Amino acid sequence: KQEVTQIPAALSVPEGENLVLNCSFTDSAIYNLQWFRQDPGKGLTSLLLIQSSQREQTSGRLNASLDKSSGRSTLYIAASQPGDSATYLCAVSPSGRGSTLGRLYFGRGTQLTVWP
Amino acid sequence: GAVVSQHPSRVICKSGTSVKIECRSLDFQATTMFWYRQFPKKSLMLMATSNEGSKATYEQGVEKDKFLINHASLTLSTLTVTSAHPEDSSFYICSARRTGSIHEQYFGPGTRLTVT
Repeated sequence: KQEVTQIPAALSVPEGENLVLNCSFTDSAIYNLQWFRQDPGKGLTSLLLIQSSQREQTSGRLNASLDKSSGRSTLYIAASQPGDSATYLCAVSPSGRGSTLGRLYFGRGTQLTVWP
Repeated sequence: GAVVSQHPSRVICKSGTSVKIECRSLDFQATTMFWYRQFPKKSLMLMATSNEGSKATYEQGVEKDKFLINHASLTLSTLTVTSAHPEDSSFYICSARRTGSIHEQYFGPGTRLTVT
């Protein structure tokens, strides 16, 4: 079964710092990998999706890379802001066919606090 | 953008009763929906994959008789927690995969279930 691990579990930084969040997964047979943001008591907001054939994706101050063969992904946040404070979740979608395609396996997340 | 709603957003029930949670795709059709649960400070755990017009596929360790899933239409899936116990208290989140798409899916805002 796919296991997803995120490091660090928590991170507290001053505003303006560049950050790197790490995600690793045990089974490289994935269809895609996604990064989500979750605010306390809320649902999920999709940040970036990387297909298995891609190496990276960028959106604004966010950049995510994927090394499928080594089972790793990183989320880079540039010039962090207090509004970035949230839990960041990494999730992988196993490759395959059938009616369960699209299911996601999540890591425990990195709780980020950016202070002014 | 595509919207997924969940109802209720919060529910408190007594031990032994059953609770139904609805997941609706408001402006798109979703042949497949996924149900997750999240414990405090834990990751989202996939419970089951729900497909319109067929039986749900449950993840290992999830009791199908306790967590009843019905996907009666292309826009609605329901999760019924039967004979609820305090350990069923959790945050339940659904996602809906747009019909015809492999990776395009959207998450609901979640339902907080508290069993007293």
